[in-house]
Amino acid sequence: DTAVSQTPKYLVTQMGNDKSIKCEQNLGHDTMYWYKQDSKKFLKIMFSYNNKELIINETVPNRFSPKSPDKAHLNLHINSLELGDSAVYFCASSDDLGPNEKLFFGSGTQLSVL
Amino acid sequence: GESVGLHLPTLSVQEGDNSIINCAYSNSASDYFIWYKQESGKGPQFIIDIRSNMDKRQGQRVTVLLNKTVKHLSLQIAATQPGDSAVYFCAEKEEAAGNKLTFGGGTRVLVKP
Repeated sequence: DTAVSQTPKYLVTQMGNDKSIKCEQNLGHDTMYWYKQDSKKFLKIMFSYNNKELIINETVPNRFSPKSPDKAHLNLHINSLELGDSAVYFCASSDDLGPNEKLFFGSGTQLSVL
Repeated sequence: GESVGLHLPTLSVQEGDNSIINCAYSNSASDYFIWYKQESGKGPQFIIDIRSNMDKRQGQRVTVLLNKTVKHLSLQIAATQPGDSAVYFCAEKEEAAGNKLTFGGGTRVLVKP
């Protein structure tokens, strides 16, 4: 199926650990994103990559490091996890950086830091 | 499972009635707006969009209205169905300010049978 897929869907870990979330899209899109959704459902952009190059980097702690090995993949590595990192993380992609850009989202990774 | 948005505004609608979801946006220079639907356990899904040079756009069972004077966006769903139960987000973008879509806080729609 054509989609944005991210793994794992659930991630439970202890404070201080390092973890990664993987994202792949087979839609042929050039641009990929990471969004964070908090417990109040508020969605906030974290990073955006276009053709493997970082184009948006919001005010995110440097414990978060995105990596894009190719334009179909954008992984998110998080070091020294903290309780406040608990959230649902969504990967998204789009094929148009222009005025009518539409994002296609993955199904999310629910991260719980204990 | 998914965490619950305890503080989300909620709209309860009888099945078959029309729904109206409202959104106040903040940036008067925004020129592109989108409505997304997020079902439980899933990512947001595109519903309909509108550019700032329009004030109304219709899709299948959905209509988006834009009032730039008061910075207000609404989504109307005709003949609401149980499958419309979800959280709905509006999002805005100002093309001149870079390629960043800013999401509103979301409204939960509950369809009663």
